[in-house]
Amino acid sequence: AQSVTQLGSHVSVSEGALVLLRCNYSSSVPPYLFWYVQYPNQGLQLLLKYTSAATLVKGINGFEAEFKKSETSFHLTKPSAHMSDAAEYFCAVSGTSSGSARQLTFGSGTQLTVLP
Amino acid sequence: ETGVTQSPTHLIKTRGQQVTLRCSSQSGHNTVSWYQQALGQGPQFIFQYYREEENGRGNFPPRFSGLQFPNYSSELNVNALELDDSALYLCASSSGLAGATDTQYFGPGTRLTVL
Repeated sequence: AQSVTQLGSHVSVSEGALVLLRCNYSSSVPPYLFWYVQYPNQGLQLLLKYTSAATLVKGINGFEAEFKKSETSFHLTKPSAHMSDAAEYFCAVSGTSSGSARQLTFGSGTQLTVLP
Repeated sequence: ETGVTQSPTHLIKTRGQQVTLRCSSQSGHNTVSWYQQALGQGPQFIFQYYREEENGRGNFPPRFSGLQFPNYSSELNVNALELDDSALYLCASSSGLAGATDTQYFGPGTRLTVL
C-alpha cells in the first residue's frame, strides 16, 4: 500500500521568497508521484508529475520537484513566491486499489499563504 | 477541448435521503474516478470506472455506488445519507492508458451538505 505524508499543514512565505512544500512517500514499488494545487472552491489542477524519467521534474507556474529515493521525498519548490501562488497543495502517489484501478492516494495538504 | 464538468455545484440534503452527482469526462477519456474530500483533508478514492465497468474501489460502503455511460460520463449515487457524507465530491477523468502514469484531470467538484 502507498501513502503520502505532507509535513506542515500551513506554510507562510513572503512574496519573492523561496517556496518549499514537503512530501514524503511510502511505497513498496517504484512510485509515481504527483503535485496538485487547489484554489478556493475549485477542483484540483496538476502542477507536475514524476514517472521515473528524470528525478528533477519541472511543472507549471515555475514550480519544480525533485525525487529523492534515498530520502523517500518529493518536495515541491519555487524560487520566488507570487501572491497568486496562495492555495492548497496536495502531494499524491499512484497505486492500485482492489481491481485494476490506478487510484491516487493524497496527503492531507499544505495551505500556502503568501505575505505581501 | 472540453475539461471535466460536474453538476450540480452545490447540494443540500437531509440525513437518510439519496443523492445523485454527475460528471462529464474530458474529451477522449474513457476512465472516470470519484473522490471524496472532507473539509480540511485530502481527497479519498471512492471508485473508478473504465469503459462502463467498475474496476476498483476504495474503502467506502456499498451505499456509495456509481454508473458509467457509453459516452463515458458518470454518476455517483449515495443512499441513506449520513452527516459525515458532507464533503466536496470530485470527479477525475483519464485516458485509461499508461497505467500508473496516466494523469487524472479533475472537475470543479460538487459540494454536498447533509443536514
